[in-house]
Amino acid sequence: NAGVTQTPKFQVLKTGQSMTLQCAQDMNHEYMSWYRQDPGMGLRLIHYSVGAGITDQGEVPNGYNVSRSTTEDFPLRLLSAAPSQTSVYFCASSSSPGDSGNTIYFGEGSWLTVV
Amino acid sequence: AQSVTQLDSQVPVFEEAPVELRCNYSSSVSVYLFWYVQYPNQGLQLLLKYLSGSTLVKGINGFEAEFNKSQTSFHLRKPSVHISDTAEYFCAVGSGSARQLTFGSGTQLTVLP
Repeated sequence: NAGVTQTPKFQVLKTGQSMTLQCAQDMNHEYMSWYRQDPGMGLRLIHYSVGAGITDQGEVPNGYNVSRSTTEDFPLRLLSAAPSQTSVYFCASSSSPGDSGNTIYFGEGSWLTVV
Repeated sequence: AQSVTQLDSQVPVFEEAPVELRCNYSSSVSVYLFWYVQYPNQGLQLLLKYLSGSTLVKGINGFEAEFNKSQTSFHLRKPSVHISDTAEYFCAVGSGSARQLTFGSGTQLTVLP
């Protein structure tokens, strides 16, 4: 009963380092997305994918890259981490567009600190 | 474009008291509306959603929300809260064309003994 699995749960990076947040879902969902959550700002969409090989930018894409080589996986890459990227990151998936009315399933979050 | 405003960032309430968490939205087209709950150190889970039909929507854990089109609101209510309801609550809106949801900034509900 895994659902959406994110790793790592906690990470500390130095400014300029790179890393990848992993996300996997076992529900055969076409739609996957990455959000960041900052105090007082709710969830903001970083990137999303409507299927394998197809990605698009969300509200705050700068500094992040994504790819979708399989239906199950949707990794988020930080190429050169900055303190402004300190945040909690959530991966999510759904069987249809996120605003179609179907439920979006969220992972448990990845806490990232950039020093 | 669509947007969501949650009018209260913090709502403290005593156990067994009623609570209302307010949400207003703006959208130029018909919308779907959602409430999600986030318990400490966890992801978000769906409380309830409005797609169409009856404007009063019942969700899990005794919560309900009423869709008011004229006031563009979707307030969340519970007649008697428990300590375990302490969490952050997010209102979200989707229009069917934006492909993704737009979330409000969240309301921290703290239930006091």
